[in-house]
Amino acid sequence: SQQGEEDPQALSIQEGENATMNCSYKTSINNLQWYRQNSGRGLVHLILIRSNEREKHSGRLRVTLDTSKKSSSLLITASRAADTASYFCATDDTGTASKLTFGTGTRLQVTL
Amino acid sequence: GAVVSQHPSWVICKSGTSVKIECRSLDFQATTMFWYRQFPKQSLMLMATSNEGSKATYEQGVEKDKFLINHASLTLSTLTVTSAHPEDSSFYICSASTLRGSNQPQHFGDGTRLSIL
Repeated sequence: SQQGEEDPQALSIQEGENATMNCSYKTSINNLQWYRQNSGRGLVHLILIRSNEREKHSGRLRVTLDTSKKSSSLLITASRAADTASYFCATDDTGTASKLTFGTGTRLQVTL
Repeated sequence: GAVVSQHPSWVICKSGTSVKIECRSLDFQATTMFWYRQFPKQSLMLMATSNEGSKATYEQGVEKDKFLINHASLTLSTLTVTSAHPEDSSFYICSASTLRGSNQPQHFGDGTRLSIL
C-alpha cells in the first residue's frame, strides 16, 4: 500500500494547548494537503503546500514539508474544543493526475 | 464557494437492492470527480476517478460492474452500487476538483452512509 502514515493515531489535549500531527509518505509528490473530518461528515480542506515549499501558515495552522524525509507536520496553535476532529494528510503524487493518497489520520480531542 | 452536495446522506435497504448516490458541484464546474469509501475509524480509500464525458478509471480491486459511475455533466456524478450486499455497507464520499493536473484542493461532499440489511 502507498498509503501515508500519520502519528499519533490519537491525541488528547486541553483547550489552549498546541497540537502537532505528523505525516510520512512514500512517493514523490506535487503537493501535500491537510484535511479535517468531523465525525460522520465529509472532509474540509485546510491547507495545501507545494513540493517546492517548506512552510506555510493559515490562521492558527502551520504546516511544514520536508521532501527529503518525505514528511510533513501540522501544528494547530491555541486549540479550541471546536478543533476536535480527525485530521488527514493527503499527497498528490506525481504522475497520478491529481489523485490523492490519504494518510491514516489523527483523531484529535480537545477538552475544556 | 466550491460547494459539493451529496445525496442521500443515509440509506438503509435490503440485500439485492441497487442504490444510487448523487454528487453535485453547486457553484463550480467539476472536470474531475472522485469516489471514496471509508470504513469506521479508517482512512479514505479511492475507488474511482471520473472525468466528464468519459469512462471512469477504477482503482485496483474495485469491481466496475458492481460500482457503476456516471459523470454525464460538469456538475453531476453518480455512483450506483448494484445488487448491494451487507459487505457493501460503508461510508461513501465524493469529491470534485476544478482543474485537471494543477495544484488545487478537492472539495468534498458530506458523505453517504449505506447500510445493507
